[in-house]
Amino acid sequence: QLMQSGAEVKKPGASVKVSCKTSGDTFTTYYMHWVRQAPGQGLQWMGLINPYDTTIDYAENFQGRITVTRDTSTRTIYMELTSLTSEDTAVYYCVREGAALKYFDFWGQGTLVTVSS
Amino acid sequence: QSALTQPPSASGSPGQSVTISCTGSSSDVGAYNYVSWYQQHPGKAPKLMIYEVNKRPSGVPDRFSGSKSGNTASLTVSGLQADDEADYYCNSYAGGHTPYVFGTGTKVTVL
Repeated sequence: QLMQSGAEVKKPGASVKVSCKTSGDTFTTYYMHWVRQAPGQGLQWMGLINPYDTTIDYAENFQGRITVTRDTSTRTIYMELTSLTSEDTAVYYCVREGAALKYFDFWGQGTLVTVSS
Repeated sequence: QSALTQPPSASGSPGQSVTISCTGSSSDVGAYNYVSWYQQHPGKAPKLMIYEVNKRPSGVPDRFSGSKSGNTASLTVSGLQADDEADYYCNSYAGGHTPYVFGTGTKVTVL
């Protein structure tokens, strides 16, 4: 199960940090990803973290604005996005990568981030 | 990395089949057998339907099947049912600076 934090409203230029709490004893076993979906639009891959060794990889479009971290004590993944604009208004999903790799088998419920002045 | 190209819409009557294409390049779909497909109902999170081109997770009906030829992958839904009406997205591993890329999405309508 992936339980994400609640909806956020931010002003342009601000930052947002979304959390994703995992359940079970396999926190360090699976790569975790962040995917977003703007209203009425498609899915966009943002980045990933290997909770075991904190290896990270980010989409080129978000380089310099995104930071993905993890807290092993609480089995929580975080995604922080800075310098927000109205184009960052979207539902942000925390997603688990499948054990066989390179696909997404469990999705969080999504967190709506609204950027508005 | 550009999004993979899918037709905006597809439709079929109950019991019929519909096939959705997903066209990429030799850097993504053509390079790896890591194509997956996701079903998304309105207001819900996506659900994995196919992974590694043609493998079905446990619980996904065998009415859903996947294939790939060159730079184009396809998802076929046979025996269409009302609940199959949803948006479908493909995804491919692409390596490089943006290692995962989604398709543009296809809205499937059951007539």
